[in-house]
Amino acid sequence: GAGVSQTPSNKVTEKGKYVELRCDPISGHTALYWYRQSLGQGPEFLIYFQGTGAADDSGLPNDRFFAVRPEGSVSTLKIQRTERGDSAVYLCASSPGGLAGIGGKSTGELFFGEGSRLTVL
Amino acid sequence: AQSVAQPEDQVNVAEGNPLTVKCTYSVSGNPYLFWYVQYPNRGLQFLLKYITGDNLVKGSYGFEAEFNKSQTSFHLKKPSALVSDSALYFCAVRVLYSSASKIIFGSGTRLSIRP
Repeated sequence: GAGVSQTPSNKVTEKGKYVELRCDPISGHTALYWYRQSLGQGPEFLIYFQGTGAADDSGLPNDRFFAVRPEGSVSTLKIQRTERGDSAVYLCASSPGGLAGIGGKSTGELFFGEGSRLTVL
Repeated sequence: AQSVAQPEDQVNVAEGNPLTVKCTYSVSGNPYLFWYVQYPNRGLQFLLKYITGDNLVKGSYGFEAEFNKSQTSFHLKKPSALVSDSALYFCAVRVLYSSASKIIFGSGTRLSIRP
């Protein structure tokens, strides 16, 4: 497909377990973003990659959360020792360039995947 | 603090009537402003943006938004609502830091169009 792909679409896990969520951005998009959306709330920024490096990880809530993008394409969000409060929809988005114009032309528009719904029991 | 606010949790409009969904912002520098729509069990979709130029911005599905610098607002509008416009709408703004920028979202407004 041509859009942003996220897997799994649904993940149910037990408290204390380790979880990985995958995002496959639109081909050629250099910027990739992770957001978290809880029920009834707007998306909450977690981390932003420009290429392989994390340009801004200020939204990661604590050191149980980590994300990588080793080849500048697919990204994985990793959550260790999951807690019930981690339950949410995790959204991934990509864009052709960075919001500040880094890495090429930036339209400022984000293209979102359909999200991975994480439920921690 | 840099922020974006949507003061209404829900807006109810009759089909065929004009609609407005409100958004206000507080950012450093020139604002980049966006509206996104989220249909049930779907990802967010881009509607429109303001970066520079005309204060009235036209977007997808007949929506438009008016940038008002003095009121720091970016309200979403449509002249004639459709039942299919019922969805969750998010206003967003780019915030700048010393070496990076990111987009932050408002809490969302649920738009309900009754036939």
